[in-house]
Amino acid sequence: NAGVTQTPKFQVLKTGQSMTLQCAQDMNHNSMYWYRQDPGMGLRLIYYSASEGTTDKGEVPNGYNVSRLNKREFSLRLESAAPSQTSVYFCAIVRRATYEQYFGPGTRLTVT
Amino acid sequence: SQQGEEDPQALSIQEGENATMNCSYKTSINNLQWYRQNSGRGLVHLILIRSNEREKHSGRLRVTLDTSKKSSSLLITASRAADTASYFCATSGGGADGLTFGKGTHLIIQP
Repeated sequence: NAGVTQTPKFQVLKTGQSMTLQCAQDMNHNSMYWYRQDPGMGLRLIYYSASEGTTDKGEVPNGYNVSRLNKREFSLRLESAAPSQTSVYFCAIVRRATYEQYFGPGTRLTVT
Repeated sequence: SQQGEEDPQALSIQEGENATMNCSYKTSINNLQWYRQNSGRGLVHLILIRSNEREKHSGRLRVTLDTSKKSSSLLITASRAADTASYFCATSGGGADGLTFGKGTHLIIQP
């Protein structure tokens, strides 16, 4: 039981390049989330998906798009990466009965 | 913007001592949660307290919530070296729209 998995673990992009961060869960939960964490900061919500087929913006959605491919997978896409998107990205799911969130191990992204 | 603000930003204590971290938030909440993050890792859920609760315990953790002051505290008793980590409070409105995190307290336990 892996819980929440993220790929890749590390990525370096040049400004203007695009990439997709993948997240998958095996916990059969409806809601999935993408957060970013900048140095010395807490996590900020980028996008979330309350259920399969729905997505909504969080606090910092600009520069990102998401796709809820099915119940298991929720991807985050950077169409044209900028240095300001250098961050650690975390995917999470929520256990609705208890509101607890379970986080993936993170993707460390550097944009040069 | 960040909902929660932890205090202090950094805390260094001796092993065996108690560590207390505080969190303030701005809007009404359904629940408040505390998470731990070891360096370079994902966050791990520690404890949740609902808005109608005032205190909760889990092992060496004690959390209090004062909704009139919009504040919470996390107490870790009998600290251990393995408690060295960053601790974040996060608030939830109870819907599916995610958590709002504070900036965290970095706790260092000196052996």
